[in-house]
Amino acid sequence: SYVLTQPPSVSVSPGETARLPCEGDNIRDKAVHWYQFKPGQAPVLVIHYDVDRPSGIPERFSGSNSGNTATLSISGVEAGDEADYYCQVWDATDHRVFGGGTKLTVL
Amino acid sequence: EVQLVESGGGQVQPGGSLRLSCEASGFSFSNYWMHWVRRVSGKGLEWVSLINSDGTRAVYAESVKGRFTISRDNAKDTLDLQLNSVRVEDSAVYYCTRDLNSYYDFWGQGTLVTVST
Repeated sequence: SYVLTQPPSVSVSPGETARLPCEGDNIRDKAVHWYQFKPGQAPVLVIHYDVDRPSGIPERFSGSNSGNTATLSISGVEAGDEADYYCQVWDATDHRVFGGGTKLTVL
Repeated sequence: EVQLVESGGGQVQPGGSLRLSCEASGFSFSNYWMHWVRRVSGKGLEWVSLINSDGTRAVYAESVKGRFTISRDNAKDTLDLQLNSVRVEDSAVYYCTRDLNSYYDFWGQGTLVTVST
């Protein structure tokens, strides 16, 4: 089965750019989607199809996908961006595959 | 406004049963495939099951196949997940999600299932 690998944690200071990688074999050939999990709230889709931002998601959130790494970037990080972020792809058997998640800490 | 509201979680003993429900509103429920996804504390997200828009096709993760059953009632805009023969490793927050091609555009807030003696 397809495996997605994310670092357990990333820390940045307010105003900096956070880059959250998601690694997978030839992930460039797959569409990658990203979700934000905050305590007590419903999870939110922040990026779909590698680079597309749903309505209501700030332009500070962007995505890229190349080679074996997809990346969620958050520019001008704010305290409110502190959350767990998961990448996800669809595999050929109708299943959805998730990365292990990255906890973003805003210092 | 799209809303997905899960219910039915709680504590259950190993080998027991539980039925989770998800009430959908704000969209044409019968037009969408729906999924259950669970989040295990400290272990990330796991896809559990999907059902197609008219309820004629269901797919399960290997870890729950034969124990869990997904179903839907398009007249009532509800999605269910019957959990049987539960195990300690089934403990998780279970989310109802709306499928939009290969990703989830909306999630519920989740319902917690705890399997313990």
